[in-house]
Amino acid sequence: SQQGEEDPQALSIQEGENATMNCSYKTSINNLQWYRQNSGRGLVHLILIRSNEREKHSGRLRVTLDTSKKSSSLLITASRAADTASYFCATAQGDSNYQLIWGAGTKLIIKP
Amino acid sequence: NAGVTQTPKFQVLKTGQSMTLQCAQDMNHEYMSWYRQDPGMGLRLIHYSVGAGITDQGEVPNGYNVSRSTTEDFPLRLLSAAPSQTSVYFCASSPLGQGAPRGYTFGSGTRLTVV
Repeated sequence: SQQGEEDPQALSIQEGENATMNCSYKTSINNLQWYRQNSGRGLVHLILIRSNEREKHSGRLRVTLDTSKKSSSLLITASRAADTASYFCATAQGDSNYQLIWGAGTKLIIKP
Repeated sequence: NAGVTQTPKFQVLKTGQSMTLQCAQDMNHEYMSWYRQDPGMGLRLIHYSVGAGITDQGEVPNGYNVSRSTTEDFPLRLLSAAPSQTSVYFCASSPLGQGAPRGYTFGSGTRLTVV
């Protein structure tokens, strides 16, 4: 069962532009996490945001969380070719703050 | 610091064969898990463990067994391979103690094809 659903499924932008990906979920969460997966590789943890937080930053990444709308967004500013990857959101819900349910991901392509 | 190590990276099995996918982590993480990733889908949890001697089923456990005899190792066994088990398998770990949750550390994956 998928908890998070990313939108859009695919995104293609020019290098230097900002990229925004969205994640919606269905039930209340303890935390929401974003991961990156380069083609053929394992996933890499980017940011974790707790249910009582509204925004977090890490370098060129900005994550927001709106629990009233059950949604989160990941903003990558000043995109680079190396940002080309799939991005996944995952949510921890119920009694667990570590067991994750995953969305299907957004495929991001940065054109040089 | 190796992180999470998965072996093998690639494997081709014939239907009915059995095999073990290895996963080892050197970060003393309590939580370890196995996922499969199929095209167009998110990760689906197969089995997980919150410590040595403790395992539990995830969303898609049928056809797979796990054991956790040490903190470091969490092997996944395919009992009798079927074409439906063709997938990419990922092992992930996470600490559970103070400061958790902190996100998962993933291995590089095992690409399994069952013919």
